Amino acid sequence: DGGITQSPKYLFRKEGQNVTLSCEQNLNHDAMYWYRQDPGQGLRLIYYSQIVNDFQKGDIAEGYSVSREKKESFPLTVTSAQKNPTAFYLCASSTRDRGRSGELFFGEGSRLTVL
Amino acid sequence: AQSVSQHNHHVILSEAASLELGCNYSYGGTVNLFWYVQYPGQHLQLLLKYFSGDPLVKGIKGFEAEFIKSKFSFNLRKPSVQWSDTDEYFCASLNTSRIQGAQKLVFGQGTRLTINP
Repeated sequence: DGGITQSPKYLFRKEGQNVTLSCEQNLNHDAMYWYRQDPGQGLRLIYYSQIVNDFQKGDIAEGYSVSREKKESFPLTVTSAQKNPTAFYLCASSTRDRGRSGELFFGEGSRLTVL
Repeated sequence: AQSVSQHNHHVILSEAASLELGCNYSYGGTVNLFWYVQYPGQHLQLLLKYFSGDPLVKGIKGFEAEFIKSKFSFNLRKPSVQWSDTDEYFCASLNTSRIQGAQKLVFGQGTRLTINP
C-alpha cells in the first residue's frame, strides 16, 4: 500500500538534545512538507521541498533543519535551538501535477515531548 | 501572503442537525481552497477542494462547501451530521511563491466538531 510513514510515533527528549524525525513516502511524490501542530493554532509550515536536493523555509523554520537527499525521504531535525519543541509534527507529500496542487497526503504524525 | 481564518473554535451539535463551519481567506490572486478533516491524534484527509468553476463543491462523506467570492468565504456544510463526524476540520488556501513558483498550503486554526448522540 502506498503512503507516508513517520517514525517514531512518540518521542521524549531532554532539553539541549537534538532529535531527528523520520518521514518516508512511497507515493512517488515530488513535494514533501513538515508541519507543526499546536492546540488552537492549526498547522504551521516548518519546511518544504519541491524536488530532491532543494528545500525552502516555511513560516516557523527557526530551530529546525531538513535534508532531501532522496525523493522518498525528508527527515526533520529539531535542534536544541528550538525554544519550544514540544508539539505534534506532521509530514505530508504531494504530486506537482497542476490539477492536484494542494492535495496533501499526511503521515500519522510524531508527538515530541521535551522533558 | 494569504491567510485563512476559522472563527468557530469548537462547535457542538446533536446528531441529524445541519452543520456550517466558517472559513474566510484573504485575497491573493488565484484562489485555491480546501477543507481537510483530522482524525483524533492522527493524519489529515482531504474532504474537498475548489479551484474554479461551480462554486458549490461536493466532497466525501456527504460534505459540501460553497465559494462566495464577494464574502471571501468557503464555508463547509453538511445537511445532517452523524456522531462519526466528530473530528477537527481545517480550511486551507494554496499559496504560490512569486519568486520560486513553489506552492504551499496555508491552514486555518481549525474547528473542533463534537456531535452528541
